[in-house]
Amino acid sequence: QVQLQESGPGLVKPSETLSLTCAVSGYSISSGYYWVWIRQPPGKGLDWIGSVYHSGSTSYNPSLKSRVAISVDTSKNQFSLKLSSVTAADTAVYYCATSHRYDTSEPYYWGQGALVTVSS
Amino acid sequence: QTVVTQEPSFSVSPGGTVTLTCGLTSGSVSTSYYPTWYQQTPGQAPRTLMYNTNTRSSGVPDRFSGSILGNKAALTITGAQADDESDYYCVLHMGSGIWVFGGGTKLTVL
Repeated sequence: QVQLQESGPGLVKPSETLSLTCAVSGYSISSGYYWVWIRQPPGKGLDWIGSVYHSGSTSYNPSLKSRVAISVDTSKNQFSLKLSSVTAADTAVYYCATSHRYDTSEPYYWGQGALVTVSS
Repeated sequence: QTVVTQEPSFSVSPGGTVTLTCGLTSGSVSTSYYPTWYQQTPGQAPRTLMYNTNTRSSGVPDRFSGSILGNKAALTITGAQADDESDYYCVLHMGSGIWVFGGGTKLTVL
């Protein structure tokens, strides 16, 4: 079974870049699947951020596209999220996830989530 | 911009049946949207219940079922139990690899 673990700073200053990494175990990223980031502001619903295929091709939420970048590092079996120019509205629990099929990218396996607070 | 709609809240009696829906502000949901359903309890990561409209994830009891009802995707819980009290989210594929979550339904079992 695929296991995922998010890591990164829990506090980011406004206007700076949020950076998170998701370590994958139990599966090799280079074998396929889609690798996904989702966030959930405190007390609110889920928000799909974007995904990356093992080849490096990406899809992003149109409302975040100008600020987001998702990439894979097959040598470390991990993938990453960068979100630039953050504001308080970006405060959320950030989840990494993966699909479990090769032809669709719906999140299936989820990490436990990492709270990121944007504050000076 | 098309929004994915869900009932904000729903209530069901223990042992009862409830159907949660996932629709669009513009258009109809079909299997081509690959409706996927998640269950989330407070402080926990979401758990995948159903994918590809009606395929149960491993370990999900068969009292959970998925379907297309009219112009919406639906998640039906038959014989509701106390531990089904959770938030339920659907997500739809909008094309070009882009997915959109619904706002979630808070299900109360009482």
